[in-house]
Amino acid sequence: DVLMTQTPVSLPVSLGGQVSISCRSSQSLVHSDGNTYLHWYLQKPGQSPQLLIYRVSNRFSGVPDRFSGSGSGTDFTLKISRVEPEDLGVYYCLQSTHFPNTFGAGTKLELK
Amino acid sequence: QVQLKESGPGLVQPSQTLSLTCTVSGFSLTSNSVHWVRQPPGKGLEWVGAIWSGGSTDYNSALKSRLSISRDTSKSQVFLKMNSLQTEDTAIYFCTGYGLDYWGQGVMVTVSS
Repeated sequence: DVLMTQTPVSLPVSLGGQVSISCRSSQSLVHSDGNTYLHWYLQKPGQSPQLLIYRVSNRFSGVPDRFSGSGSGTDFTLKISRVEPEDLGVYYCLQSTHFPNTFGAGTKLELK
Repeated sequence: QVQLKESGPGLVQPSQTLSLTCTVSGFSLTSNSVHWVRQPPGKGLEWVGAIWSGGSTDYNSALKSRLSISRDTSKSQVFLKMNSLQTEDTAIYFCTGYGLDYWGQGVMVTVSS
């Protein structure tokens, strides 16, 4: 199975600040169809995960442009600028290039 | 508007079979896949399996021998059956639609005698 390594595990932030979360895969996530199936989710406390970014850098419907994704191959980053209270929670990366789909262990974004 | 809702028993005895239903609206099962993902209390997410638009299935290899996913397109429902349940199977079980784009609220399943 593809191992997804997320860092950091915990990320203290001040409101209005900017943060980055890293996700690295144990093998390339470039699919034979040329796409890279790396996605980012946010799980707010007591809620189900919600899709933020799909295929590395595409914002899902309704996701503010404060969220941006980048990367290629095995190395990916989620950046959040101007952090707001509703951004707090646990962020997960997911790869769906290789079966089985695998998630990172999560990064908890919390207030400093 | 895409919606998914999981239903099933909250408590299952060890060695018994878990049966969950995911009822969807706002999209067609014959055009989109549905996945199951689970989350043990206080832990991360684990992909369980999927049923594709054509009706074929894929399962997490660690669970494959105990798992079955099926559907009733006329009722817009997807079913998960997992046998030989153990305490380690205690988790919130989510179904997702449009692949993994939309998520249900999840159903908590506790395996305990």
